[in-house]
Amino acid sequence: AQSVTQLDSQVPVFEEAPVELRCNYSSSVSVYLFWYVQYPNQGLQLLLKYLSGSTLVKGINGFEAEFNKSQTSFHLRKPSVHISDTAEYFCAVTLSGGYQKVTFGTGTKLQVIP
Amino acid sequence: DADVTQTPRNRITKTGKRIMLECSQTKGHDRMYWYRQDPGLGLRLIYYSFDVKDINKGEISDGYSVSRQAQAKFSLSLESAIPNQTALYFCATSVGPGERDSGELFFGEGSRLTVL
Repeated sequence: AQSVTQLDSQVPVFEEAPVELRCNYSSSVSVYLFWYVQYPNQGLQLLLKYLSGSTLVKGINGFEAEFNKSQTSFHLRKPSVHISDTAEYFCAVTLSGGYQKVTFGTGTKLQVIP
Repeated sequence: DADVTQTPRNRITKTGKRIMLECSQTKGHDRMYWYRQDPGLGLRLIYYSFDVKDINKGEISDGYSVSRQAQAKFSLSLESAIPNQTALYFCATSVGPGERDSGELFFGEGSRLTVL
């Protein structure tokens, strides 16, 4: 079975600074990887996804993530954060090739400090 | 209007009461899911349904039941609510099998349940 680990439960960062949210996964077979964002009092929405192909994936709101198979990582980055990026971010994994259960990490709360 | 609608959005109830959370979707997706979110635990899958005739337990199904009344409707029931079922509940959908299936989930806005 697949699993995903988000080591940082909270990440404070100053506005306009860069940020990296870490995600590591565990699976013995190929996977699809996702980052979702949850703004306060809202549901989750997709930021970006890696299915295959280029290991650098660009998403909405200036976020990007890099799939690193050798390190089993899928870290999320943004070069310059805004106050509006304050939210909780979830990494998720599912086995590739059709439906499998999606497993979520425990989430990382990004707090952007003015 | 939201593509995935959950009702109620907030509910406070007492221990032992029966509670139903409802989910309806206009996305035309075959697959529907119920997740539970707790602080520090992320989202955990309660039940999922591939189509109207298919219901599957997730990782934390004890104390819950579901009903898939139609392709567009998937309800979650707590037959006898207990305080540790206090949580934020999300319904989600995804497309059916095939080339379009990436596993991407589409979420409702959540139902916050408090059991006293």
